[in-house]
Amino acid sequence: DTEVTQTPKHLVMGMTNKKSLKCEQHMGHRAMYWYKQKAKKPPELMFVYSYEKLSINESVPSRFSPECPNSSLLNLHLHALQPEDSALYLCASSQVLGQFEEKLFFGSGTQLSVL
Amino acid sequence: AQSVTQLDSQVPVFEEAPVELRCNYSSSVSVYLFWYVQYPNQGLQLLLKYLSGSTLVKGINGFEAEFNKSQTSFHLRKPSVHISDTAEYFCAVKRVGGAQKLVFGQGTRLTINP
Repeated sequence: DTEVTQTPKHLVMGMTNKKSLKCEQHMGHRAMYWYKQKAKKPPELMFVYSYEKLSINESVPSRFSPECPNSSLLNLHLHALQPEDSALYLCASSQVLGQFEEKLFFGSGTQLSVL
Repeated sequence: AQSVTQLDSQVPVFEEAPVELRCNYSSSVSVYLFWYVQYPNQGLQLLLKYLSGSTLVKGINGFEAEFNKSQTSFHLRKPSVHISDTAEYFCAVKRVGGAQKLVFGQGTRLTINP
């Protein structure tokens, strides 16, 4: 299994809603990432988890709350989002963080629309 | 800090023609270099990477790239493209030994015309 699975594929939410994005991998990877990609733009790093601990937070607003409950799962909890948060949210994983060079495996993303 | 410039936002090419997608980077320290491809409605997939050694790197789907340190470039090439190569291509860099942050270029949209 060389896949990173993201659910849901599409999500529409209001500004007062609370929702969660889910990411799962069974490759034994110990580093997992959240990226945000606006239309026609490159992905921007949001968070990195290494061995289930938050390693990097790229100054992301607190309305985005990541969680890594185990080595296979990564969640992104969303609350009180703004319309400008509408984007494709990509999850990625890699074998180990910070060792030589790792290959990132990306999921297909969750297309989020905030109304 | 590192930065990446992809010189062309869009590249239209006829099928079976050669293509070159240009990438230049800026960094005061050694970096690793990557090309990723993003097909419509999908995540990114690694095409190839340069870590060290031979400056000519071969990747998947017939793509190759050449690292030129003096020109700080890492251009992507394919001698004959197919319709299925239509996608967005991202060049990226990562500092050697540093925090694990990939810095992406703005992307090049490759469109293959029949």
